[in-house]
Amino acid sequence: EDKVVQSPLSLVVHEGDTVTLNCSYEVTNFRSLLWYKQEKKAPTFLFMLTSSGIEKKSGRLSSILDKKELFSILNITATQTGDSAIYLCAATFRETSGSRLTFGEGTQLTVNP
Amino acid sequence: GAVVSQHPSWVICKSGTSVKIECRSLDFQATTMFWYRQFPKQSLMLMATSNEGSKATYEQGVEKDKFLINHASLTLSTLTVTSAHPEDSSFYICSARELRSGEQYFGPGTRLTVT
Repeated sequence: EDKVVQSPLSLVVHEGDTVTLNCSYEVTNFRSLLWYKQEKKAPTFLFMLTSSGIEKKSGRLSSILDKKELFSILNITATQTGDSAIYLCAATFRETSGSRLTFGEGTQLTVNP
Repeated sequence: GAVVSQHPSWVICKSGTSVKIECRSLDFQATTMFWYRQFPKQSLMLMATSNEGSKATYEQGVEKDKFLINHASLTLSTLTVTSAHPEDSSFYICSARELRSGEQYFGPGTRLTVT
């Protein structure tokens, strides 16, 4: 059974701190790993990772995938209150007609001023 | 960029009534759309995969007679919650898989409250 596990499930930090969110997966015919940020509505896309060891970066956020150890991390440096959200990772696997997402439970990040 | 819309964005209904939620891909074609449900402080749970022109595939534990899915065109899928109960109150999100690229794009979600 395909499985995606995130840790920690919740995290409370102060503005300016750096956080690392973890995502491990067990997916047959793995295709890619995606990170999303969810505030009040539907998830918004952050990163898609398909290759091991190549860091993707967007501002204060960065992410990397390790396909050997089957995990990914999402780093947020110099956190701000606006970073407070649920961070979801999802693994995709190949189906005959495309790919399907399996989501982890999410990490609830709270950044206090 | 690819845009997916959902309608309505929120709805309140009484127990026993049915509610229809629409998911539209606005600027691309989607042979496959996915319906998710999300309870407070929980992750997205896939309910069903909707395929244009054929029957939907439901995840284990999801009642197909209660959650009716119709995917009549390449840009529209509908989810009908029949005989709604308060425990069906949730955030329902659809995503559409673009035919050309295979990438998925999420709709903004529909918040359903059953009283």
